[in-house]
Amino acid sequence: NAGVTQTPKFRVLKTGQSMTLLCAQDMNHEYMYWYRQDPGMGLRLIHYSVGEGTTAKGEVPDGYNVSRLKKQNFLLGLESAAPSQTSVYFCASRTTIGLNQPQHFGDGTRLSIL
Amino acid sequence: DAKTTQPNSMESNEEEPVHLPCNHSTISGTDYIHWYRQLPSQGPEYVIHGLTSNVNNRMASLAIAEDRKSSTLILHRATLRDAAVYYCILMSGGSNYKLTFGKGTLLTVNP
Repeated sequence: NAGVTQTPKFRVLKTGQSMTLLCAQDMNHEYMYWYRQDPGMGLRLIHYSVGEGTTAKGEVPDGYNVSRLKKQNFLLGLESAAPSQTSVYFCASRTTIGLNQPQHFGDGTRLSIL
Repeated sequence: DAKTTQPNSMESNEEEPVHLPCNHSTISGTDYIHWYRQLPSQGPEYVIHGLTSNVNNRMASLAIAEDRKSSTLILHRATLRDAAVYYCILMSGGSNYKLTFGKGTLLTVNP
């Protein structure tokens, strides 16, 4: 039972390079989220999706783009990486219905930008 | 979004109970109280949630004040594996179920 899988787990980029982080969930969840976590801080929401083909901005969306072409996948893109985007990125998913349902998180992608 | 206030850190001894407090004085009537924890180098994991009544599950208990302005997560017998950051989060209707994380409480468990 995989749950939420993030790829890759680690990556080092140079400033200006681009990359895509992949989040895959096998629970048929409608909602998916991308967060970033900086040292000593709680998670901050970057973008989220309420269903296939939809995306919306979260708290800190600048410098990132997302796509949800398939229900099970949520991609986070960095078009021109900056050192300020060095962080740990977490993806989460949840079912549609009810305030009493939890989000399920992946194990994170640790991204360093030099 | 309604805010929560938690102590920055707490310490406990192994096999002793731990009470992690959370204040949420601006909670609205339909907000659910969710608790997550984050073990070192892992993503957050759901612990428990409640609305008005106290709740128990295999991981913990949640005690909710009668006026709902505070809650307490109770770990009945702390183990070294319970050392983590614990987040108290309010889940509101109309929010697309987004979670707003504060800094949480860092729980240290001493052997």
